[in-house]
Amino acid sequence: KQEVTQIPAALSVPEGENLVLNCSFTDSAIYNLQWFRQDPGKGLTSLLLIQSSQREQTSGRLNASLDKSSGRSTLYIAASQPGDSATYLCAVTGRRALTFGSGTRLQVQP
Amino acid sequence: DGGITQSPKYLFRKEGQNVTLSCEQNLNHDAMYWYRQDPGQGLRLIYYSQIVNDFQKGDIAEGYSVSREKKESFPLTVTSAQKNPTAFYLCASSADLTRLMNTEAFFGQGTRLTVV
Repeated sequence: KQEVTQIPAALSVPEGENLVLNCSFTDSAIYNLQWFRQDPGKGLTSLLLIQSSQREQTSGRLNASLDKSSGRSTLYIAASQPGDSATYLCAVTGRRALTFGSGTRLQVQP
Repeated sequence: DGGITQSPKYLFRKEGQNVTLSCEQNLNHDAMYWYRQDPGQGLRLIYYSQIVNDFQKGDIAEGYSVSREKKESFPLTVTSAQKNPTAFYLCASSADLTRLMNTEAFFGQGTRLTVV
C-alpha cells in the first residue's frame, strides 16, 4: 500500500527566505506527483504536476523535483512571501487514485 | 467557468439521518473521487469512479455510498452507519487513470459536514 510522508509538518520562516518542502513515497509505480496548496477551510489548488518520466517542473517562484527511483520529491519556494502561508500537500497518482501526505503547514512572517 | 462544484458548502446532520453531498464537474473528466479530511490530517480516499456506472471503494468506504449515473456527477451519501461523519469532504476529478499523461487532478471547494 502506498504511503506518502511529508517533512516538516510545520515551518515558520521570515519573509524573503528560500525554503524546501520534502515529500517521500514508498511505491515508485506512480503516474505522476502533484503539489497542492490548501488555504484554511478551502479546497485544494494544484501548483505543479510532474509526470513520472520528468525530473522537475517550474512555475514562477516554485520548482518541484521528482526522483522516482528513490521515492522523493521536493518543492522549492524562492523568495517567500506572507501570501505563501498555507498548507502544502503532495500526492502521488497510482493505478487507483491519488494518495496524499499529511501536509506541511507554512507560515511566512512579514 | 470550467471546474468542480460542490454543494452545499456547510451541512448539518442530525444523528441517524442520511445526507447527500453533491459534486458536479464540467471538465469532461472520466475519473472522479471523494476524499475525507480531518483536522491536521491528509486526505483519505472514500470512493472513486473511473467511468460512468462503475465505482470502487477506497480506504474508508464503510458508512458511505455513491452513484455515477452521469459523467458530470458523483454524489456521496453519508449514511447513519458512519460513526464519525463530522469532517471536511472534498471531491476531485481527473482524466482517465489509464492514460499515462495528463492526469492532473482538480478539486472542488469542499463541504463541511457537522453532526448535531
